[in-house]
Amino acid sequence: DSGVTQTPKHLITATGQRVTLRCSPRSGDLSVYWYQQSLDQGLQFLIQYYNGEERAKGNILERFSAQQFPDLHSELNLSSLELGDSALYFCASSTPQRGVQLNTGELFFGEGSRLTVL
Amino acid sequence: DAKTTQPPSMDCAEGRAANLPCNHSTISGNEYVYWYRQIHSQGPQYIIHGLKNNETNEMASLIITEDRKSSTLILPHATLRDTAVYYCIVRTYNNNDMRFGAGTRLTVKP
Repeated sequence: DSGVTQTPKHLITATGQRVTLRCSPRSGDLSVYWYQQSLDQGLQFLIQYYNGEERAKGNILERFSAQQFPDLHSELNLSSLELGDSALYFCASSTPQRGVQLNTGELFFGEGSRLTVL
Repeated sequence: DAKTTQPPSMDCAEGRAANLPCNHSTISGNEYVYWYRQIHSQGPQYIIHGLKNNETNEMASLIITEDRKSSTLILPHATLRDTAVYYCIVRTYNNNDMRFGAGTRLTVKP
């Protein structure tokens, strides 16, 4: 158990709809990362937040947005969904607060949210 | 972050050592080498990381060449459960993003 919780685990929706994926990072971690993995494809980095602020941006579509809240959980919003958005979406956390744990630069991944767009 | 090059696939016999190579010829002095693996569609799992010295933990050993331009992940006694995609990533310790390449698909055969 990595300590990272993602909900929902599975989601089926229709094209044009909007969904929100939620991530609770490991206790004390300040950074949250979002990744997309389509069928038999690699992990595509979408976006990273650190303590509520956007820190790095990858291949995230304009139809997608994310935010990190004061309690450090994060949400990834996917709108105007297309068939090609069907994928596994992973959240990862890292960078523990000072005094909580040693920062090794390691990312801890959740089990993912599987989105199916029909 | 520096880019890495890994073979797309490798096979290994069960019980034998699996040696997975990674080239990172443009690595910077403050960049670490990280290894992760992904078993089927599970979340990636951290294996090991190092800066310049060889490292060993309960899962694997990491051998980094003296010039730091390449490294090898060693699974000393591969089992069927080690079948996975293995990713070599080079990055600094700070809060930058971590980007995965295509990795090496390791298949452990009985």
